[in-house]
Amino acid sequence: NAGVTQTPKFRILKIGQSMTLQCTQDMNHNYMYWYRQDPGMGLKLIYYSVGAGITDKGEVPNGYNVSRSTTEDFPLRLELAAPSQTSVYFCASSSTGMGPEAFFGQGTRLTVV
Amino acid sequence: EDQVTQSPEALRLQEGESSSLNCSYTVSGLRGLFWYRQDPGKGPEFLFTLYSAGEEKEKERLKATLTKKESFLHITAPKPEDSATYLCAVQRPGYGGSQGNLIFGKGTKLSVKP
Repeated sequence: NAGVTQTPKFRILKIGQSMTLQCTQDMNHNYMYWYRQDPGMGLKLIYYSVGAGITDKGEVPNGYNVSRSTTEDFPLRLELAAPSQTSVYFCASSSTGMGPEAFFGQGTRLTVV
Repeated sequence: EDQVTQSPEALRLQEGESSSLNCSYTVSGLRGLFWYRQDPGKGPEFLFTLYSAGEEKEKERLKATLTKKESFLHITAPKPEDSATYLCAVQRPGYGGSQGNLIFGKGTKLSVKP
């Protein structure tokens, strides 16, 4: 009964480094989302996917990339990390789009120094 | 510009002391309003969906109401386990596919002391 699993839970990156945040769901959901949550701010949508092979930009996509090769996995790639990308990242999945049926992962806390 | 404002930012209550959290919004084409609970170090957990003015939903000590401009989350006789950050989000057309996107407020951090 895993739901949405994110790895790693914590990570410290140096400026200019790259990394991939992993997100896996076992509910066979078509919709998957990446949000970031900055301290004292609301969640912002980075990228989303409506099915395997289909991805699109959200509100704050700059500096990130995604892929969706399978229904289960939706990794988020950070290229050339910057301090502005210090945040908590949440992955979510749903069978019908964002709303009551959406399940969130536990988050990845990323610090760029 | 579409936006969601939650107040207060933080609220401290004694166990049993009822109160309300506010979520005011200005959104074009509102499709729904959602309340989430977020515990420290966890992702948001869905509580309620409200779709039209006048609608009310209840769950244990929580009751959510909706008007054309705002929503309230009423907490009756809270317990320490109700301590969490409560997030409000509105759904509108746009990013996120055919279901639209959620615009989140900054949240209200609720602390209930025994």
